[in-house]
Amino acid sequence: KAGVTQTPRYLIKTRGQQVTLSCSPISGHRSVSWYQQTPGQGLQFLFEYFSETQRNKGNFPGRFSGRQFSNSRSEMNVSTLELGDSALYLCASSLTLQGFGGSPLHFGNGTRLTVT
Amino acid sequence: DAKTTQPPSMDCAEGRAANLPCNHSTISGNEYVYWYRQIHSQGPQYIIHGLKNNETNEMASLIITEDRKSSTLILPHATLRDTAVYYCIVAVSGNTPLVFGKGTRLSVIA
Repeated sequence: KAGVTQTPRYLIKTRGQQVTLSCSPISGHRSVSWYQQTPGQGLQFLFEYFSETQRNKGNFPGRFSGRQFSNSRSEMNVSTLELGDSALYLCASSLTLQGFGGSPLHFGNGTRLTVT
Repeated sequence: DAKTTQPPSMDCAEGRAANLPCNHSTISGNEYVYWYRQIHSQGPQYIIHGLKNNETNEMASLIITEDRKSSTLILPHATLRDTAVYYCIVAVSGNTPLVFGKGTRLSVIA
């Protein structure tokens, strides 16, 4: 079974630009979660989507947004990029809502975003 | 904030069992214990999870104390490829997102 696929793998953007990251979950998984990982803050939760609806949101500004499509694929968008947005963005999928009934998360290898 | 306490680092000799402890003294009755690991430049990898009983799969064993206030992840025969950061997480079923702490950096030494 194919794992979680994230594209692109690497991205370089300039301050003020916007960026869209893509995530294809494991087949049959209905929940997609996004995390940001930086050396200083570690792994931080951004949001979770289930059945095309945002179910949970972390403590990030409104510049960070996401959506989920009917086929469970998900995208996240960051507008007006800042230098501090440089990070590894990780997508994870699970069968049901994150952790429900013990359903674990399965992560992709992330998109490394560099903002210059 | 993470609800778990883990040692920041551990060493283990190749071929020996690696026992990674985790303290979760405030765990609630409906919270699961999850273990993940992250090898450099990759996404976290799910290892195992449990609620009350000990669990074993092809990767590892999870031992949860009877009072559920602590647990131990056991890698029975550590290899160099097991060198990674290991995260212990507790989470309520389907209610709150998994919160990752700083984890334990395990170094397997030849």
